[in-house]
Amino acid sequence: DAGVIQSPRHEVTEMGQEVTLRCKPISGHDYLFWYRQTMMRGLELLIYFNNNVPIDDSGMPEDRFSAKMPNASFSTLKIQPSEPRDSAVYFCASSLASGGRYGYTFGSGTRLTVV
Amino acid sequence: GQQLNQSPQSMFIQEGEDVSMNCTSSSIFNTWLWYKQDPGEGPVLLIALYKAGELTSNGRLTAQFGITRKDSFLNISASIPSDVGIYFCAGTNFGNEKLTFGTGTRLTIIP
Repeated sequence: DAGVIQSPRHEVTEMGQEVTLRCKPISGHDYLFWYRQTMMRGLELLIYFNNNVPIDDSGMPEDRFSAKMPNASFSTLKIQPSEPRDSAVYFCASSLASGGRYGYTFGSGTRLTVV
Repeated sequence: GQQLNQSPQSMFIQEGEDVSMNCTSSSIFNTWLWYKQDPGEGPVLLIALYKAGELTSNGRLTAQFGITRKDSFLNISASIPSDVGIYFCAGTNFGNEKLTFGTGTRLTIIP
């Protein structure tokens, strides 16, 4: 199993540009999570999906952030327009049902820098 | 959102030393997990605990589920250079898909 695959690994963009982060979960996993990691806030849950349906987006910081999961093998997190304070490492993770019980598998992350 | 408190925030040790860290919560959990994050990578699950008082080992790592169910502990024996990284605890309860993560303990090994 290739694990959770995220792309790109690094993204540098100018303020105001649209940024799209991509994630391929582990095949057969029912849940997909998007996290943001910063030194100040640690790991923050942004949104999670169950069977491609968004369940809880209360962690999405503002309307500039949106996430989709068009099918079981692909999800995107979009920031439009991007701002310097969005600079962080964004992780995607997936799990089987009751994954909270058995833990998530994380991708390697996308390091986003907005200048 | 809520975060669990981990202590210490950072540790600087010499190779071969034993390491102890802990994680505390204001809420009760019935599942505790410990993750390790290598530099430039995502967190990786090390140990899962499901019962108060449970002690579980994974090689040189040993974790305990606190009796009060509000805390957990991780010990690393005879540390080696590859132990460097950030260690996170996480807690959850039955039927809850969301994990609550700790603030992390950063482990550095001094040559």
